[in-house]
Amino acid sequence: GENVEQHPSTLSVQEGDSAVIKCTYSDSASNYFPWYKQELGKRPQLIIDIRSNVGEKKDQRIAVTLNKTAKHFSLHITETQPEDSAVYFCAASTPGNQFYFGTGTSLTVIP
Amino acid sequence: GAVVSQHPSWVICKSGTSVKIECRSLDFQATTMFWYRQFPKQSLMLMATSNEGSKATYEQGVEKDKFLINHASLTLSTLTVTSAHPEDSSFYICSVGSYNEQFFGPGTRLTVL
Repeated sequence: GENVEQHPSTLSVQEGDSAVIKCTYSDSASNYFPWYKQELGKRPQLIIDIRSNVGEKKDQRIAVTLNKTAKHFSLHITETQPEDSAVYFCAASTPGNQFYFGTGTSLTVIP
Repeated sequence: GAVVSQHPSWVICKSGTSVKIECRSLDFQATTMFWYRQFPKQSLMLMATSNEGSKATYEQGVEKDKFLINHASLTLSTLTVTSAHPEDSSFYICSVGSYNEQFFGPGTRLTVL
């Protein structure tokens, strides 16, 4: 199956700074790349996604970039706020709709 | 998006017993559902793809005789953890897929004593 790697595993930033999380995937057939925010004991919440025919997508303070050739994609959060603190997961979806998740990044925004 | 529910939300059982977890798609007819397991402070790991009316497809390393999946209708998939042991204690989450997007259930926390 698909193998998704995610870095860093932990990230601390000062409030107002930017945070960047990077993921790589192995299966060139993967065509959908969502990012999830998960709070302890709760289901993952989709925050942004990108499809393989797009290189970049932005939604207010959140942006995602995709490099299909290099098989990597990144999440960018600007002007971070304390409520952005959570665990973030990237995922890669195959055409069969199976989702393979990255290992997660615990983001802490320091007020 | 699809609304997905799970039952129970939390279950505690004794070692050696079996536990059934239900996943319901409340407003979407799902021919396919997915089951994930998440250990504390770890990522979600895809366990199997549940196919309505046919056998589930298991990911490598997941014991199909240990984790029985039944997808008898377009709105219900069940995961039965057979002869549960403490190492099976985990957060089990199901999801329903719709054109790449996944809609997750709230999860079931299983604690095996």
